[in-house]
Amino acid sequence: DAGVTQSPTHLIKTRGQQVTLRCSPKSGHDTVSWYQQALGQGPQFIFQYYEEEERQRGNFPDRFSGHQFPNYSSELNVNALLLGDSALYLCASSPYGQGNQPQHFGDGTRLSIL
Amino acid sequence: RKEVEQDPGPFNVPEGATVAFNCTYSNSASQSFFWYRQDCRKEPKLLMSVYSSGNEDGRFTAQLNRASQYISLLIRDSKLSDSATYLCVVNAAGWFGNEKLTFGTGTRLTIIP
Repeated sequence: DAGVTQSPTHLIKTRGQQVTLRCSPKSGHDTVSWYQQALGQGPQFIFQYYEEEERQRGNFPDRFSGHQFPNYSSELNVNALLLGDSALYLCASSPYGQGNQPQHFGDGTRLSIL
Repeated sequence: RKEVEQDPGPFNVPEGATVAFNCTYSNSASQSFFWYRQDCRKEPKLLMSVYSSGNEDGRFTAQLNRASQYISLLIRDSKLSDSATYLCVVNAAGWFGNEKLTFGTGTRLTIIP
């Protein structure tokens, strides 16, 4: 039973570039959430996708956008990268409508902006 | 005030000791609560859910006080492998709503041999 998988593992970009991160949810899960974790901080909620639509969004600018595909996998896109976007980006999946169930996290993508 | 607040530590505790972490949350509508563990440069992993009546899993005990909006985690007979950052996590959505997890900054624990 595959868990949450993310790609790539590491990525180095320069300011102003654009990046796309990918996530495949755990088998049986249909909801994907994305989080940004800066060094020494807890993960911060970016947004959540269900049925190919963004359902909730945290306090992140429009430079952060996403997509969910019919097979429930998801992408996170960040445009016009800033140095402050350097962080670990985590994808988590869960079954929709079961708020008492924990989310399962992937290994994350470590993004470094030069 | 932060939505979820934890003492960041670090807590340096001798092996075999008992250690307790506390966490407070600001949203009284929060419905579900969790403790996650995160090892250095790894993803968060669920340690345990926190139930209203309190719950125990081996050496770990979690408590919830809704009136005070307070969550705790107790680790007994600590092991070297317990060294990690412990994240207090709150889900403000209803039972059938979308889940938006809010994380504390984490409490760093180091068990000393």
